[in-house]
Amino acid sequence: QQQVKQSPQSLIVQKGGISIINCAYENTAFDYFPWYQQFPGKGPALLIAIRPDVSEKKEGRFTISFNKSAKQFSLHIMDSQPGDSATYFCAAKDSNYQLIWGAGTKLIIKP
Amino acid sequence: DAMVIQNPRYQVTQFGKPVTLSCSQTLNHNVMYWYQQKSSQAPKLLFHYYDKDFNNEADTPDNFQSRRPNTSFCFLDIRSPGLGDAAMYLCATSTAGADTQYFGPGTRLTVL
Repeated sequence: QQQVKQSPQSLIVQKGGISIINCAYENTAFDYFPWYQQFPGKGPALLIAIRPDVSEKKEGRFTISFNKSAKQFSLHIMDSQPGDSATYFCAAKDSNYQLIWGAGTKLIIKP
Repeated sequence: DAMVIQNPRYQVTQFGKPVTLSCSQTLNHNVMYWYQQKSSQAPKLLFHYYDKDFNNEADTPDNFQSRRPNTSFCFLDIRSPGLGDAAMYLCATSTAGADTQYFGPGTRLTVL
């Protein structure tokens, strides 16, 4: 119930392509879904986040799509760039304000 | 700029030798978190403070302790580091009731 399942584990995309990372959850009490971006040797940084009453949120090249009935959400990175190469974590906030993390996706953008 | 600062960025210690990691914040947030992150894994919450109220995760080993002397500072003490404690230790902050956690750059701990 407290898990967030993230896929794929790793992803290679050509420069200019679309990167898509998917997450699924079971606990309907989760009420906030952030995506964090982490570069090697750095702390995670909030990239974009969504609440379950919204189906899509876009910030620049980054979009979250949220399907409440399916209990799934995904991150889309349009026009992917080599600088986007990082590990991406989805997460969900529970009723105790704790973050439940996905396992992470290592994204590599090939020039 | 308001931020979360962790010192040192890299810490090497010997097996069994106590070590202290520090975190400070200029965000004036009343919630502070300590996470452990091992290679290629998600951050794992060790404990958090809501103001001075300490909240320990059930599976956090007794070897890990924390102190928060004031709003701005929080310390992670590892009493007897083992090889399995080698990891990145992340400090994060948030405002009570807010959704977003802000992370520091982390301290990479090596245990020899």
